[in-house]
Amino acid sequence: QSALTQPPSVSGSPGQSVTISCTGTNSDVGSYNRVSWYQQPPGTAPKLMIYEVTNRPSGVPDRFSGSKSGNTASLTISGLQAEDEADYYCSSYTTSSTFVFGTGTKVTVL
Amino acid sequence: EVQLVESGGGLVQPGGSLRLSCAASGFTFGAYAMYWVRQAPGKGLEYVSSISSNGIGTYYANSVKGRFTISRDNSKNKLYLQVGSLRTEDMAVYYCARSLASESHWGQGTLVTVSS
Repeated sequence: QSALTQPPSVSGSPGQSVTISCTGTNSDVGSYNRVSWYQQPPGTAPKLMIYEVTNRPSGVPDRFSGSKSGNTASLTISGLQAEDEADYYCSSYTTSSTFVFGTGTKVTVL
Repeated sequence: EVQLVESGGGLVQPGGSLRLSCAASGFTFGAYAMYWVRQAPGKGLEYVSSISSNGIGTYYANSVKGRFTISRDNSKNKLYLQVGSLRTEDMAVYYCARSLASESHWGQGTLVTVSS
């Protein structure tokens, strides 16, 4: 199972919006609405930000939103804040009843 | 409060084995599928294995199939990962997680170092 493809890095100034893409195949992202997004600041465990493509757990700011089209899912951070600087990973359920993670994207707040 | 505490990591020689444990508290452990995810130093997250709530269904990444075994003891609220035939590329922080979707919660991880 190959990792989902994410851009290595994205950046933006405070207040701007950034979007991270997550491209898979018909065996994962394209087959299920079971895409999640995780935030991981350095030295910490991942934290769930989005599940089932568009849903936010309680406590996650509404600046974070998710979407999906075909084999590509996306995470958008609107109104970028300094505290959003971290690594972000997508994940998807697969047709093998396993999960696959994305390659990871470093978000930098300029 | 949901808590997941991993243990059992350490230094092991190539070809060796370890048993990782994850102690769960703060929720009904037997109601949830559980997961192991690893992260090599400076690298991304990698799904390793998962087990159904009753322990009957077990699933593995191709990279560990045949070498790792996941299990659980719902009476003790514990998740396990027996890791064997270890390779240098297995060196990573191993996280246990409750759910990889809604209600996801992760432990702080245990480090497995594979070196001679």
